[in-house]
Amino acid sequence: EVQLVESGGDLVQPGGSLRLSCAASGFSVSSNYMGWVRQAPGKGLEWVSVTSSGGILYYADSVRDRFTISRDNAKNTLFLHMSSLRAEDTAVYFCARGWWDLRGYYFDYWGQGTLVTVSS
Amino acid sequence: DIQMTQSPSTLSASIGDRVTITCRASQSISGYLAWYQQRSGKGPKLLIYKASTLERGVPSRFSGSGSGTEFTLTISSLQPDDFATYYCQHYNSYSHVTFGQGTKVEMK
Repeated sequence: EVQLVESGGDLVQPGGSLRLSCAASGFSVSSNYMGWVRQAPGKGLEWVSVTSSGGILYYADSVRDRFTISRDNAKNTLFLHMSSLRAEDTAVYFCARGWWDLRGYYFDYWGQGTLVTVSS
Repeated sequence: DIQMTQSPSTLSASIGDRVTITCRASQSISGYLAWYQQRSGKGPKLLIYKASTLERGVPSRFSGSGSGTEFTLTISSLQPDDFATYYCQHYNSYSHVTFGQGTKVEMK
């Protein structure tokens, strides 16, 4: 059974840093696209970042140069390193498995999310 | 970047109603469109991919159609579990994807 479990969300001050983790089971993170999607309170879904199965990294403009996606294949875990955090980064962060479909990817499994609050 | 626009933003319906949600892309995405359901406080759940292919385990009352720039998600007979928010997502790109702003289906 595929499972994704996020952790690491917390209250952090503006300008601070945080690392989110996503523990995967039932499949290998190294063989799939893996991504992060966030949802600000009361708002819709916003794509944040993805790593391809080949290790190519992509970022939304809003987080490029501040966030870094990575994975530990041995631990079967995905990470999101966040720095220079801003109030507008406050959101629930979801980890999701991407499924490649000829031209792009959709997300076929999602975690339950972890809350990041940026506030002084 | 490709923009996705859903309508309506909110939809009021009753059990047994036929419900249709529309998603429009700012440029052609062929059939590279997915639909998700998100219940309150939960992570999204994949319903449909490639515009009209039902994900395993999703009830057959859900269906999708469309290609190019206009797509629809239809629930043939609304059930209590279906009150939720629905999102479309294009994936006509190997890098970035975009979601629609969501359609909340609420009880009339």
